[in-house]
Amino acid sequence: QVQLQESGPGLVKPSETLSLTCTVSGGSISSYYWSWIRQPAGKGLEWIGRIYTSGSTNYNPSLKSRVTMSVDTSKNQFSLKLSSVTAADTAVYYCARALPGIAAAGTDWFDPWGQGTLVTVSS
Amino acid sequence: QSVLTQPPSASGTPGQRVTISCSGSSSNIGSNYVYWYQQLPGTAPKLLIYRNNQRPSGVPDRFSGSKSGTSASLAISGLRSEDEADYYCAAWDDSLSGSWVFGGGTKLTVL
Repeated sequence: QVQLQESGPGLVKPSETLSLTCTVSGGSISSYYWSWIRQPAGKGLEWIGRIYTSGSTNYNPSLKSRVTMSVDTSKNQFSLKLSSVTAADTAVYYCARALPGIAAAGTDWFDPWGQGTLVTVSS
Repeated sequence: QSVLTQPPSASGTPGQRVTISCSGSSSNIGSNYVYWYQQLPGTAPKLLIYRNNQRPSGVPDRFSGSKSGTSASLAISGLRSEDEADYYCAAWDDSLSGSWVFGGGTKLTVL
């Protein structure tokens, strides 16, 4: 079955750019929406944004000015860049697939999720 | 402050039925499907209920979801110790340019 694995630096300095990659295995990245979701320690979930395999994106309005997502279908990977980070961006970052394939926003769901990767923003 | 409102905690004894509420507004729950995710300690969230009341294969029928107006509920019957987890509701929000929103999560304790 499809599995997702996040990778990237676990420590980022304030004001710098956080960069993460999600590698999809066990299936094709094509024809799905792929999302990034984060969770600060002891807190709830926050959707960061999503990308379709065509490159079309939707971002959380509260993060939109700092977020860039991209997809590399040849590597079965998609990526997240979050610029000008502060301590408030410290969180476990998850990548997730949206099912069922292309669907109207809000009619799909996140399944599966990656195991998550902790990113700490600190000097 | 989460867009969807859940009680921070809930509890029950084995075999009991518990419900977890999720309150939103006309721009999210009121006009879109509700989803529920279960997060066991130290793990990633897992889909529990989709499109208000549908269970993915593998999810026991002890779990059920419902929606009315701008609120939704997750019910767990025949409570078991392995149900101890955090539960999150989610919905698409049509305001601004659209975005997924989550509840703050409910920690379920099995006494």
